[in-house]
Amino acid sequence: AQKITQTQPGMFVQEKEAVTLDCTYDTSDPSYGLFWYKQPSSGEMIFLIYQGSYDQQNATEGRYSLNFQKARKSANLVISASQLGDSAMYFCAISLNDYKLSFGAGTTVTVRA
Amino acid sequence: EPEVTQTPSHQVTQMGQEVILRCVPISNHLYFYWYRQILGQKVEFLVSFYNNEISEKSEIFDDQFSVERPDGSNFTLKIRSTKLEDSAMYFCASSDLDPPGGYEQYFGPGTRLTVT
Repeated sequence: AQKITQTQPGMFVQEKEAVTLDCTYDTSDPSYGLFWYKQPSSGEMIFLIYQGSYDQQNATEGRYSLNFQKARKSANLVISASQLGDSAMYFCAISLNDYKLSFGAGTTVTVRA
Repeated sequence: EPEVTQTPSHQVTQMGQEVILRCVPISNHLYFYWYRQILGQKVEFLVSFYNNEISEKSEIFDDQFSVERPDGSNFTLKIRSTKLEDSAMYFCASSDLDPPGGYEQYFGPGTRLTVT
């Protein structure tokens, strides 16, 4: 079964600085998708970024980029120029051909002014 | 922009009662999901639904749970006899997913279920 590990329960970052959230995964399937979701205190799940296992380039979406290291099975999220509104829980997830998302435990990010 | 909607936003029920959580997925999506998140914990997969049948379910999704797509728009999760440990946020999601695991699942805002 696939597994997602997020080792950082909580992180603090200064406004306007970059922060990297770690995510490692474990699957023997060569075909998979990696996702990052943001969950603010209001509770909704907001999709941030997606990386396919066959994608040659790292995914980017605005201030979000995914540092995909396939051999290491890691998919770290980088948030650049942090804003106060980035304070939230961030979840890494993996999807295989069964389509369901398997989530990690999440990392809480607190942006300080 | 199209979105997944869920009702109610908060449901309080007594142990042993039946609850139905409702979702309206994005209209052209074909795959539907229910997830739950116990307070302070990670999001867990419950069930996926495609072509009017369950395609996969987790060990959490026991005989007390059922899903239905009663018409062309709604997607419901029923818990027949709620337990205290069913208290959680329940998320509905939908996608027009192409294999393998290719695209975003759009999540609804969630229904917070409190069982007393």
